[in-house]
Amino acid sequence: QSVLTQPPSVSGAPGQRVTISCTGSSSNIGAGYDVHWYQQLPGTAPKVLIYGNNNRPSGVPDRFSGSKSGTSASLAITGLQAEDEADYYCQSYDSSLKGVFGTGTKVTVL
Amino acid sequence: QVQLQESGPGLVKPSGILSLTCAVSGGSFSSSYWWSWVRQPPGKGLEWIGEIYHSGTTNYNPSLKSRVTISVDKSKNQFSLKLSSLTAADTAVYFCAREMNSRVLDYWGQGTLVTVSS
Repeated sequence: QSVLTQPPSVSGAPGQRVTISCTGSSSNIGAGYDVHWYQQLPGTAPKVLIYGNNNRPSGVPDRFSGSKSGTSASLAITGLQAEDEADYYCQSYDSSLKGVFGTGTKVTVL
Repeated sequence: QVQLQESGPGLVKPSGILSLTCAVSGGSFSSSYWWSWVRQPPGKGLEWIGEIYHSGTTNYNPSLKSRVTISVDKSKNQFSLKLSSLTAADTAVYFCAREMNSRVLDYWGQGTLVTVSS
């Protein structure tokens, strides 16, 4: 069971900006635990896009950005490109459930 | 460059035990990292299974806790997953990953598909 809720899908035209929300609760995101974001291409392992709420690993384009407020977090993709079509997951920690992932969002580039 | 590689049977019988090993190379296994297992049923999302610290401390997903054991063998730079009382619902791609203190999973194995079927 996922305790972090994401929209099942978002879409946008090339060049547009899309955002993905990740809604948690007072026992995970709201408790101050960091939120991380992963991109998963078909048939591959997830890859870290954002760690510690708003930090990008080296090699991740600055088109990707993260934010966190209260019990929610968001991932924004600006200047959407065809290669951004993938599944995206948020992840955090929960005081009771320990590791938790979001439900996942499929990004479609129109 | 840290690399993780899962290994184990790809087919396991219902009610049996799934045993997977994750070999870690290219980095210090005994540094301050946690080591995690994550699974993904076909066509579905990611599910956190559990984690182990290099000291041996473990945390498990409460929904799997009664059936899961994660262990570490520092002499071989590897950690392992055992999941018992298997059903078809345990069919999934199983990933191992390195976990930083901030809980981000920064390095992942390629994943291995385990099918539970008679």
